Order: sequence, then structure tokens, then C-alpha cells
Amino acid sequence: GENVEQHPSTLSVQEGDSAVIKCTYSDSASNYFPWYKQELGKRPQLIIDIRSNVGEKKDQRIAVTLNKTAKHFSLHITETQPEDSAVYFCAATYSGAGSYQLTFGKGTKLSVIP
Amino acid sequence: GAGVSQSPSNKVTEKGKDVELRCDPISGHTALYWYRQRLGQGLEFLIYFQGNSAPDKSGLPSDRFSAERTGESVSTLTIQRTQQEDSAVYLCASSLGNTQYFGPGTRLTVL
Repeated sequence: GENVEQHPSTLSVQEGDSAVIKCTYSDSASNYFPWYKQELGKRPQLIIDIRSNVGEKKDQRIAVTLNKTAKHFSLHITETQPEDSAVYFCAATYSGAGSYQLTFGKGTKLSVIP
Repeated sequence: GAGVSQSPSNKVTEKGKDVELRCDPISGHTALYWYRQRLGQGLEFLIYFQGNSAPDKSGLPSDRFSAERTGESVSTLTIQRTQQEDSAVYLCASSLGNTQYFGPGTRLTVL
């Protein structure tokens, strides 16, 4: 089955700096890679996702890049703000044949220092 | 529209008691998932229901854990003879495609 490794487990940045979280996956058939954000005491929520037919996707201050050859993908947050402080989870799956089960990484706790 | 709901929001029980946790998915979502999240930890997959297919129970940690789903609606997760290590937040999610929508979770405390 799929295995997703996520690094770092914790990350502290100064407000306004950039943050990068990296994930690697094991199953070359995986073709869908979402990122979830979980604020303290809240439920995880999807913030961005990417499919294997593209290499990069942006949404305002958030971007995700995918390297299929190396089997890794990354989340980039620019101009970080205190409200970006949360735990971020990456995930991977093969989207097809009617199965939508995700394999999650163990999470990265991001702290943005004002 | 209404999101995923879970009940109860908090449950305190004594070791050895059985507990039942409920999840109401978004209407029309064919897939439903249960996860366990211990304090400060990641999302531990428990079980996955997809339509009328046999559920994927590969994440259930022991035979004390079981779950059912009625058609494409409500699901219940039952933990029998609870142990202190069962203390965690139990999250339910549902999806129609790839995007999983999570409920607020049930915080279970086993004394």
C-alpha cells in the first residue's frame, strides 16, 4: 500500500517569511495529492490539492509543487501570517476505480512568530 | 448546506464500558471514513465505507472496535470494553470524490 512521509514535524518561522513542508510517497500510481490544515481544536480542512497531470498549483499565498519522478510534493506558504499557525497534513491516493481513500502524512506543526 | 456532524462532542467513560459514537455524513456522500487522533498526533485511519462495497476494516486496532453504516447515511463506531489508551478524538469524514469533509470529532476520555 501507499506510504507517505512528511517533514519537518515542527516548523517555526517569523511572520512574513516563507514556509515549506515536504512529503514523499511510495506508490507511483498515486495521482492525487491534497493538503489539509488543522487549527488547534478544529477539524482538518482541505486548503489545496494537485493532480499528477500538473507540476504546480497556486492559490494566493499557498502553492503546491509535485515531482512525479522523485515522488515528492511540497507545500509553500509565502508571507506567513499568525493565522497560518496550524498543523498541516499532506496525503496521497490513486484517484480512480471508485476508491477515494487517502494515506496521510503524520503532520507538520507550523508556528508563525509575530 | 449541512456539513458532517458527530455526536456526542465529548464522552467520558469508565474503563471497561462500551461506547458508541455517531457520524452523520453530508447527504449524498457515498464514502465515509473514521479516524483516530491522539493528542498532538496525526490521523490514524480506522475504517472506510464506500457505497455498497464491503468496508475496509484494515485500520481497526483490535476486535474491540467495530463500525456499521446504514446505506449511505449514518455510521456508528462502537468500542467495547474501553481502555485508557482508547482516549482520543475520533474524527469522521465523508466524500463524494477525493475531497474529504471532516466532522468536528468526538473527544473520548476513558478514566
